[in-house]
Amino acid sequence: EVQLVESGGGLVQPGRSLRLSCAASGFTFDDYAMHWVRQAPGQGLEWVSRISWNSGIIEYADSVKGRFTISRDNAKNSLYLQMNSLRPEDTALYYCAKVGRIGMLDAFDIWGQGTMVTVSS
Amino acid sequence: DIQMTQSPSSLSASVGDRVTITCRASQSVNRYLNWYQQKPGKAPKLLIYAASSLQSGVPSRFSGSGSGTDFTLTISSLQPEDFATYYCQQSNNSPRTFGQGTKVEIK
Repeated sequence: EVQLVESGGGLVQPGRSLRLSCAASGFTFDDYAMHWVRQAPGQGLEWVSRISWNSGIIEYADSVKGRFTISRDNAKNSLYLQMNSLRPEDTALYYCAKVGRIGMLDAFDIWGQGTMVTVSS
Repeated sequence: DIQMTQSPSSLSASVGDRVTITCRASQSVNRYLNWYQQKPGKAPKLLIYAASSLQSGVPSRFSGSGSGTDFTLTISSLQPEDFATYYCQQSNNSPRTFGQGTKVEIK
């Protein structure tokens, strides 16, 4: 079964750091680009970051650029999001998502269940 | 950044109704337009990719059309399990951007 499982969320004070992980299974992880998408409570979806299969292409939303770092370990079938200098507006459910096969034009065909990050003093 | 605007933001419909949701991009995204369904407490689910291709396992009552800047998601006969929020998303440029969502509620 193709699956993504996020972990690492929690309650953190403003200005502190947190590292999210996403464990992939059921597919050849290093064949696919991966993304992080977040959703603030009661709000819509916001794209956060993207990493290509070999980490050669990395992109961020302006709202997190300079504070968040995406990375992956293909040997461990894992995706990461290092979040530094956290702000209350970073409070959200964070999803990792897999890009579909060639021809799907970069649609996100598999999503994890999400991990909640709450930034509050 | 490409802005994605969905309309309506919400709608009320009955089982069996034909439902249409539109998505407009602020500039051309060619056919790099995807539709997702999200139910409360659940992760989004891919319904349509590349503007009009039905994702595997998605019922055929869902269909997508359009190219360039104007796109449509149609549910031909609304079923009880279709009450959810629907998002469009462009994957032509970074940042990848989503529409604000359309909540489909029971009339």
